[in-house]
Amino acid sequence: AQSVTQLDSHVSVSEGTPVLLRCNYSSSYSPSLFWYVQHPNKGLQLLLKYTSAATLVKGINGFEAEFKKSETSFHLTKPSAHMSDAAEYFCVVRDYTGGFKTIFGAGTRLFVKA
Amino acid sequence: DGGITQSPKYLFRKEGQNVTLSCEQNLNHDAMYWYRQDPGQGLRLIYYSQIVNDFQKGDIAEGYSVSREKKESFPLTVTSAQKNPTAFYLCASSDPGGGYNEQFFGPGTRLTVL
Repeated sequence: AQSVTQLDSHVSVSEGTPVLLRCNYSSSYSPSLFWYVQHPNKGLQLLLKYTSAATLVKGINGFEAEFKKSETSFHLTKPSAHMSDAAEYFCVVRDYTGGFKTIFGAGTRLFVKA
Repeated sequence: DGGITQSPKYLFRKEGQNVTLSCEQNLNHDAMYWYRQDPGQGLRLIYYSQIVNDFQKGDIAEGYSVSREKKESFPLTVTSAQKNPTAFYLCASSDPGGGYNEQFFGPGTRLTVL
């Protein structure tokens, strides 16, 4: 069965330090994987997506993620956090098991300290 | 500008009332979705539609109804049968494109039951 686990509900970093948001997934097929960002009381915005091309995916605002099939992981990173990165981040898997299905992780809240 | 609009942004309902949330898209997408978001949780699928005049129940459809009479519109009605309707509601759309395309989200409607 498909599932997505975001390993941290909250992550706190200082401005200018690296960001790591962890995501593990399970899938019975060849999934597509996405990271979205949500600022308070806003909709979700796509940061990046993996669809079986390059395993290192670059997204907007300096974020990138690496698809590691052997570890079933799709962790999101950024070399240097900015105050504007403070938001909620969702890891999402889309797979085909008797029909396309989209599964959202529970989210990771990123706090950025000045 | 192409995108998804949701209205109203905030909605207050008295117990026992039905309310309808609007979702319109001008992205020419075939598929549209309604999600519910509660604090500390990921998104849960209420209903989705892959084509005009057709829609399917998601994981938490009880107490909700939808229609899809036009490609660009997918309104959601929260009925009095929904026991705990206070939540943030997000509408999304996608181009099927083999099923692995990302979803585009509207800005959301926050519904509060008084």
